[in-house]
Amino acid sequence: QKEVEQDPGPLSVPEGAIVSLNCTYSNSAFQYFMWYRQYSRKGPELLMYTYSSGNKEDGRFTAQVDKSSKYISLFIRDSQPSDSATYLCAMSGGSSGDKLTFGTGTRLAVRP
Amino acid sequence: DTAVSQTPKYLVTQMGNDKSIKCEQNLGHDTMYWYKQDSKKFLKIMFSYNNKELIINETVPNRFSPKSPDKAHLNLHINSLELGDSAVYFCASSHQAGEPYEQYFGPGTRLTVT
Repeated sequence: QKEVEQDPGPLSVPEGAIVSLNCTYSNSAFQYFMWYRQYSRKGPELLMYTYSSGNKEDGRFTAQVDKSSKYISLFIRDSQPSDSATYLCAMSGGSSGDKLTFGTGTRLAVRP
Repeated sequence: DTAVSQTPKYLVTQMGNDKSIKCEQNLGHDTMYWYKQDSKKFLKIMFSYNNKELIINETVPNRFSPKSPDKAHLNLHINSLELGDSAVYFCASSHQAGEPYEQYFGPGTRLTVT
């Protein structure tokens, strides 16, 4: 079993929809939770990170962390075709130190 | 004014050859990383350097040797290339060790071994 599980998708939604992307993890020592966006043939781009449990909002993006359930989410409001990309969750902390452990990514397509 | 740059962008080579990938960051960061992304898009850390010192060395064949001449540069040399080395290699940097949560990635080097 992988330390971080993420549904690979693809997830296809109409423009304007609310998108929910999720990851589960097994290492309770993880403290930092990141979301990256990766366009095709590009490097991952950091969207936001959260420390420990709670919510964080940045524009149309909201990250949620539930450490008790070992479950994190990224919500995208008013999704746009330009949001079409692969979304990667990543985590670090505890004995893993500075190492980021990534999920396999969810491919999102937003239809105009 | 690219933050993290890598050269080359594409690398096609034959099995058994030796090749190098270069990475440079102009963010003033202390910590740099090498990641490998396989054909299933899974991103896995290989190495990390903090101010020229190796701090993360994952289970990677010793054919892979990183080198950091200064804190703005991290190169990756690969000896005796194998088919399984085909992947996209990403360099990343973060402000300093202990702050891995804001890593900035380069555009990647797509390595194809034939």
